[in-house]
Amino acid sequence: GAGVSQTPSNKVTEKGKYVELRCDPISGHTALYWYRQSLGQGPEFLIYFQGTGAADDSGLPNDRFFAVRPEGSVSTLKIQRTERGDSAVYLCASSIERTGNTEAFFGQGTRLTVV
Amino acid sequence: GQNIDQPTEMTATEGAIVQINCTYQTSGFNGLFWYQQHAGEAPTFLSYNVLDGLEEKGRFSSFLSRSKGYSYLLLKELQMKDSASYLCAVRDMSTLTFGKGTMLLVSP
Repeated sequence: GAGVSQTPSNKVTEKGKYVELRCDPISGHTALYWYRQSLGQGPEFLIYFQGTGAADDSGLPNDRFFAVRPEGSVSTLKIQRTERGDSAVYLCASSIERTGNTEAFFGQGTRLTVV
Repeated sequence: GQNIDQPTEMTATEGAIVQINCTYQTSGFNGLFWYQQHAGEAPTFLSYNVLDGLEEKGRFSSFLSRSKGYSYLLLKELQMKDSASYLCAVRDMSTLTFGKGTMLLVSP
């Protein structure tokens, strides 16, 4: 696609439920990042993929969070047993590679609200 | 790990010049980015520095000193539409880490 696409744009879920957030990166981009952003804060790193593998998942807050990228393109961020504190905008970004002057392009984000 | 520090808020007047500073500590440096983010929108790329010195791009310039762990973003001829959050981000060997952002308010 022309840009990074994230679906859904908004998700409201009940506490304790399971959610999946999808990211479709720019075609050909091997690097993919997931971030979480709360109001008035900068994007907080969650996980980084290089191809199909998670090169760095040190930002995942706990084992309720998991992400996959099985074919090296689309990625899904999965959150189990959601809590109210998980409410935030989840941003996905992709870049051609992880080094050099390769800017990361962001999607519009998924606004997750846990009630 | 990384530690990125930038001011929380700044105010400036239309037509003026403003400098937004960023200091960082990182275990492996592979470039510094500045992004602009308007409220409710995704961050958009402004500039990239990997070598020391000044990079100029229209009204925006960005400076880097790797020995000092310091960068700044310079915005000239400020316009009302420049009111936004400005994010400093550092790339190490594995990821791209953002600061908390500087909210810039441009007034008439």
